[in-house]
Amino acid sequence: SYVLTQPPSVSVAPGQTARIPCGGNNIGSRSVQWYQQKPGQAPVLVVYDDSDRPSGIPDRFSGSNSGNTATVTISRVEAGDEADYYCQVWDTSTDLHVVFGGGTKLTVL
Amino acid sequence: QVQLQESGPGLVKPSETLSLTCSVSVDSISSFFWSWIRQPPGKGLEWIGYMSSTGTSNYSPSLKSRVTISVDTSRKQFSLMVNSVTAADTAVYFCARMTSPGGITLFDFWGQGILVTVSS
Repeated sequence: SYVLTQPPSVSVAPGQTARIPCGGNNIGSRSVQWYQQKPGQAPVLVVYDDSDRPSGIPDRFSGSNSGNTATVTISRVEAGDEADYYCQVWDTSTDLHVVFGGGTKLTVL
Repeated sequence: QVQLQESGPGLVKPSETLSLTCSVSVDSISSFFWSWIRQPPGKGLEWIGYMSSTGTSNYSPSLKSRVTISVDTSRKQFSLMVNSVTAADTAVYFCARMTSPGGITLFDFWGQGILVTVSS
């Protein structure tokens, strides 16, 4: 089955840019979604189809996907961006399954 | 705005069956897939499975032998059953709407989650 790999944690100072990677075999050929989850809350979709944003998501959130790595980028990081971030793909290689990455904890210093 | 709400027992005994229901506030639950996702305490998201109102379904390979998802369109509800539970099934269980716009598969609406503890 397909595996998505994320670093456990990323730290960034307020106002700086945070980049959270998601690794997978030829992930660039797949569509990647990103979810933000704050403590005690359900995940929220922040990026879909590699780089599109749902309505209501600030344009500080962006995404890219190429080769073996997809990345969500958060510009001008704010304290309220501190959360866990999960990447997700649709795996059609063996069967029609959903795959989540292990999640990355974004800490705003 | 689509709203989802999980309900069910918060405590299940080992070897018994976990049973949850998700109620959806929407005109119709047809034309979408309805999914369950869980999150053990302090850990990441784990996809459990999905089912459409027409009966198309699929489950995580690691849970397939113990899981059943069903959809009741008349009640606008869908349900999850997990058989033979152990402590490893302790988790927050989320229900979510799964949609595939333009071939992209994503979860656009989620329930708030319900904690289910497996313990005697």
